Amino acid sequence: DAMVIQNPRYQVTQFGKPVTLSCSQTLNHNVMYWYQQKSSQAPKLLFHYYDKDFNNEADTPDNFQSRRPNTSFCFLDIRSPGLGDAAMYLCATSSPHQQETQYFGPGTRLLVL
Amino acid sequence: AQTVTQSQPEMSVQEAETVTLSCTYDTSENNYYLFWYKQPPSRQMILVIRQEAYKQQNATENRFSVNFQKAAKSFSLKISDSQLGDTAMYFCAFNDMRFGAGTRLTVKP
Repeated sequence: DAMVIQNPRYQVTQFGKPVTLSCSQTLNHNVMYWYQQKSSQAPKLLFHYYDKDFNNEADTPDNFQSRRPNTSFCFLDIRSPGLGDAAMYLCATSSPHQQETQYFGPGTRLLVL
Repeated sequence: AQTVTQSQPEMSVQEAETVTLSCTYDTSENNYYLFWYKQPPSRQMILVIRQEAYKQQNATENRFSVNFQKAAKSFSLKISDSQLGDTAMYFCAFNDMRFGAGTRLTVKP
């Protein structure tokens, strides 16, 4: 089945130690998104790619970076995680041809020690 | 900037009854999409229903329907014949990148 896959599902890192979260999709969607979701809150958009065009939200900290080497994969890099970065990170995809509906992955829960 | 407001942090409903979740938004755009997403406990977010702003007819998906009032910028979700599996966080979203704060719905047996 076509889907959005996130690895790992749980990630533990140390304060200040760089960490990378991965997302892959088999939907061949040209748009990919990264959201941060803290407990019982709305997902907050960090950035998105339209094909290779990177769109950063104005309030996304510089500590967060992203890479999209090809259509299928997208990575979230947190250069120096702080305690406040502990959250669920959601990856999603969409296509203008499917009326912009987003398909979400299961998320990666990040714990910062 | 678009804002999405869900004024009901938590709601509960008895199984088989009907419940309505509220959502209002602010935008200067004329053409846009509105969405309701469901996020069950410890499970991934999925689309419940979608509405295109240029369509006057309210969207319906089985037990789920919306009341879309474009002039009032209101987009409420009605769940009929509530089931235990409807227990989840429900998020209203504008053009799929702006989410409301969510409403936690509990369906009671």
